[in-house]
Parts: sequence; structure tokens; C-alpha cells
Amino acid sequence: KQEVTQIPAALSVPEGENLVLNCSFTDSAIYNLQWFRQDPGKGLTSLLLIQSSQREQTSGRLNASLDKSSGRSTLYIAASQPGDSATYLCAVLPDGSSNTGKLIFGQGTTLQVKP
Amino acid sequence: IAGITQAPTSQILAAGRRMTLRCTQDMRHNAMYWYRQDLGLGLRLIHYSNTAGTTGKGEVPDGYSVSRANTDDFPLTLASAVPSQTSVYFCASSRDRDTGELFFGEGSRLTVL
Repeated sequence: KQEVTQIPAALSVPEGENLVLNCSFTDSAIYNLQWFRQDPGKGLTSLLLIQSSQREQTSGRLNASLDKSSGRSTLYIAASQPGDSATYLCAVLPDGSSNTGKLIFGQGTTLQVKP
Repeated sequence: IAGITQAPTSQILAAGRRMTLRCTQDMRHNAMYWYRQDLGLGLRLIHYSNTAGTTGKGEVPDGYSVSRANTDDFPLTLASAVPSQTSVYFCASSRDRDTGELFFGEGSRLTVL
């Protein structure tokens, strides 16, 4: 059974720091991996989607990498800002489950960026 | 603004009552999903629909039903609500079942007393 883990559960950094959020998954047979952001009381916003054949994706100050063989993904945030404060979730779509589109979510890392 | 609209945003419900959470998307996405989010348990898939006219069970389907009469709407019904169904419910959609990129609504917070 695929399991997705995000460590740490919470992270606090000063503004301007570069930081890395970690996501690990137990089964390397994935179709894709997606990173989301969730603000308190809000829905999830898709940040980056990495297909299984890709190694990384970039959007602005965000860079996500994928290493399928080791079951790991990282989300790199450059020059963090207070507005980056949110919960970040990763989710994998296991290979062979594309008929359900069922993503397996991690429990998230709550990031606080202090001014 | 294109996206997913959920209603109601919040509801308090007596146990045993029937409740329907509404979800409408205007992106012409084929696939739609209902998740519930609970502290410590994360997001769990309740039901999904790969295309209009079809539905399927997710990880935690018991006590819930869905229908997909057209592309845009995907209501979630609790036939007889129980306190364990207190949660935040998110509707999501993707262009198709294989695209993977999910777009979420703002959620419906349901409290069952």
C-alpha cells in the first residue's frame, strides 16, 4: 500500500531563507507527483505537477524535484517571504490507478515565514 | 472566474438528517472527486467520477453517495448524517482521469451533532 510521508510536520524560518520541504513515498511505481499549497480555511492550490518521466519542475521561486528510485521529492522555496506561510502537501498518483485518479496525500508541512 | 464552486461553505446538521453538498465546475473537466479532510488523517477520497454518467468508490465511501448527471455538477449526499461525518469536504476536478493535476474548491465545513 502506497504511503506518503512529509517531514517535518511544521517548520519556522526567518524571511529570506531558502528552504526545502521533503516528501517520501513507499512505492516507486507512480504516475505523477503533485505539490499543493493550502492556506488556513481554504482549499488546495496546485503548485507543481511532476510526471514520472520528469526530474523536476520550476515555477517562479519554487522548484520541485522527483527521484522515483529513492521514493523522494523535494520542494525548494527560494528567498522565502511571509506570504509563503501555509501548509504544503504532496500527493502521488500511483501507477496503475489512473482509472480512479486517486491521489495519495501526505499530511503536509506547515510553514511559517517570520518577517 | 473559472473554477469550482461548493455550497454550503458551512453547515451544522443534526444526526440522522439528510444533507447534500453541492459542487459545480465550469472548466469542462471530465473527472471530479470528493475528499474529506480530517486533522491527523489528511485528505481521503470518498467518491470519484471519471466522466459524466459514471461514478466510483474511493477510500471512505460508506455513508455517502454521489451522482454525475452532467459534466459540471457532482453533488455529495449524506443519507443519514452521523457525528463521524463531521469534517471539511473538498470537491476537486481534473481535465481527465490521467491528467492528475487537481483543482480544488474552497471546501464545505460540516458539523454533525
